[in-house]
Amino acid sequence: EAQVTQNPRYLITVTGKKLTVTCSQNMNHEYMSWYRQDPGLGLRQIYYSMNVEVTDKGDVPEGYKVSRKEKRNFPLILESPSPNQTSLYFCASSLAGPYSNQPQHFGDGTRLSIL
Amino acid sequence: GNSVTQMEGPVTLSEEAFLTINCTYTATGYPSLFWYVQYPGEGLQLLLKATKADDKGSNKGFEATYRKETTSFHLEKGSVQVSDSAVYFCALLDDYKLSFGAGTTVTVRA
Repeated sequence: EAQVTQNPRYLITVTGKKLTVTCSQNMNHEYMSWYRQDPGLGLRQIYYSMNVEVTDKGDVPEGYKVSRKEKRNFPLILESPSPNQTSLYFCASSLAGPYSNQPQHFGDGTRLSIL
Repeated sequence: GNSVTQMEGPVTLSEEAFLTINCTYTATGYPSLFWYVQYPGEGLQLLLKATKADDKGSNKGFEATYRKETTSFHLEKGSVQVSDSAVYFCALLDDYKLSFGAGTTVTVRA
């Protein structure tokens, strides 16, 4: 089954304690992306990756890091989480090419609470 | 930069009512337009898309037409069901970057 898998689904942690949210896709997609969803703001892109070892900032990258060492995995790293990073996070992937209009496949989300 | 504006919710309807969710956009290029749906506790799923002006996307009874002259992509359904209760997001894709609207919560009552 084609899917995007995020872990953990829920996490409560404290300010400053490094955490990683993993994302894995089994569709051999080149393009992967992270979003955060906040009430009244919709989804905002944090980082995206067009292929292995190619990443770029989205709209709200501050406080986050990503890596793309393998095609299937795109972890999101919060080196020193703060309460304003409490949010619902989604990973997504899609086929990509020049001027791609391929839809993105989303994971089920990770709800982070930073105390 | 690119942006998407959706009508604010929440929207509450009775079954079999007509649903319209307005969406307008600003873009520097020639974007593709999407509607995504998010059911409670789930991630987003693509509902429909349109890739160029005057294209009509349709799926599950929902329709939206890409109107370049009015920069709009309004979502419509003629007769909603309780199972259509969800959050709906309008989005545009331009040069690999996907920009979302704030989302509209729709509740359909039996």
